[in-house]
Amino acid sequence: GAVVSQHPSWVICKSGTSVKIECRSLDFQATTMFWYRQFPKQSLMLMATSNEGSKATYEQGVEKDKFLINHASLTLSTLTVTSAHPEDSSFYICSARDEEDPGLAGGGETQYFGPGTRLLVL
Amino acid sequence: GQNIDQPTEMTATEGAIVQINCTYQTSGFNGLFWYQQHAGEAPTFLSYNVLDGLEEKGRFSSFLSRSKGYSYLLLKELQMKDSASYLCAAMDSNYQLIWGAGTKLIIKP
Repeated sequence: GAVVSQHPSWVICKSGTSVKIECRSLDFQATTMFWYRQFPKQSLMLMATSNEGSKATYEQGVEKDKFLINHASLTLSTLTVTSAHPEDSSFYICSARDEEDPGLAGGGETQYFGPGTRLLVL
Repeated sequence: GQNIDQPTEMTATEGAIVQINCTYQTSGFNGLFWYQQHAGEAPTFLSYNVLDGLEEKGRFSSFLSRSKGYSYLLLKELQMKDSASYLCAAMDSNYQLIWGAGTKLIIKP
């Protein structure tokens, strides 16, 4: 299956600093990538949809100026948490849609997840 | 509104069979996904149903009834490593995934 990587896997930072998280599709091209946040014992919460070559689409309640998303190529999307605060501590997970996946009816709907990035803001 | 319901927690015995149910209400429908998530890890894809019926894949099977807005994940010959959360997600007309809160499955020896 398709492989998605994330870097870093762990990050600890001081309050007020910015943190960049990278999401890469390793063996396929992804026009669309998704950024999720997951707090302990809760389900995934979609933050934004990242579109290659255009602006990201943010979900209601997600501050676009705080969570900057850049999708500069078909294999890389980045999420930058600006001026991080302790309440931003969470598990950030990206996923990418393999639009040429032949395994599903209609193709392209499966999202493959990166391993996630744990952010701890002190 | 859009909504996914699945049980919060289930317990089963090693070697047994367990069925995890999921009901959904979405604006349009483009398929139903099941993902497995071990504690501290990202979800991994298990199955996708867009047509009514049962899809079997090894020890795991997934069923869909679109008219009832209902799906289940069936796990056979349970192993201790199957202890995880199982996430149900329905894809709406905009190809957005609507996620359930997940079912934590506890396997006892």
